[in-house]
Amino acid sequence: NAGVMQNPRHLVRRRGQEARLRCSPMKGHSHVYWYRQLPEEGLKFMVYLQKENIIDESGMPKERFSAEFPKEGPSILRIQQVVRGDSAAYFCASSRFDTSSSYNEQFFGPGTRLTVL
Amino acid sequence: GENVEQHPSTLSVQEGDSAVIKCTYSDSASNYFPWYKQELGKRPQLIIDIRSNVGEKKDQRIAVTLNKTAKHFSLHITETQPEDSAVYFCAASNKGSYIPTFGRGTSLIVHP
Repeated sequence: NAGVMQNPRHLVRRRGQEARLRCSPMKGHSHVYWYRQLPEEGLKFMVYLQKENIIDESGMPKERFSAEFPKEGPSILRIQQVVRGDSAAYFCASSRFDTSSSYNEQFFGPGTRLTVL
Repeated sequence: GENVEQHPSTLSVQEGDSAVIKCTYSDSASNYFPWYKQELGKRPQLIIDIRSNVGEKKDQRIAVTLNKTAKHFSLHITETQPEDSAVYFCAASNKGSYIPTFGRGTSLIVHP
């Protein structure tokens, strides 16, 4: 039973380039969450998606950042025209959706460490 | 929105001692409180959680307590071991959101 998969694990981009981060949720999970973690800081929520729907993007910058979770394939977090301040670890988490429960445990992927030169 | 404060930011203990990490939250509607452990360079992993209908939960050397009136919850690790060294994050969420708000983390260092 593979866990949450993320790729690439490390990504280096020059300022102005695009970064694409991929996340494949655990089998049976239909919800995906993206978080950003700066060095020595906590996890900051960015966006919450279900298949083909963005449920909550309140934590995502309005410009340059976008996310999708298509019907087929992984969820993608896209950062256009990257700047040095985008350097961080980006974690994806997935959960089931259990309507009988108030709680949906999140399982995290290994993260993508983005470095912008 | 929810605001979670976590203390201390760094905790250094000797092997065998106990460690306590405390968190407070602001939203009285929060009813689920997970704790995650993140080892250096690795993913956060859930180690224990507590729901608002109980005041305490224990799993071997790890326990979590919740005081809903005071809006604070704590992680207790007894008989600490060097492999407990990691960053620990608390979080709070509620049924309406499903999105946990995380504390800033506590770096626990256990000296052998």
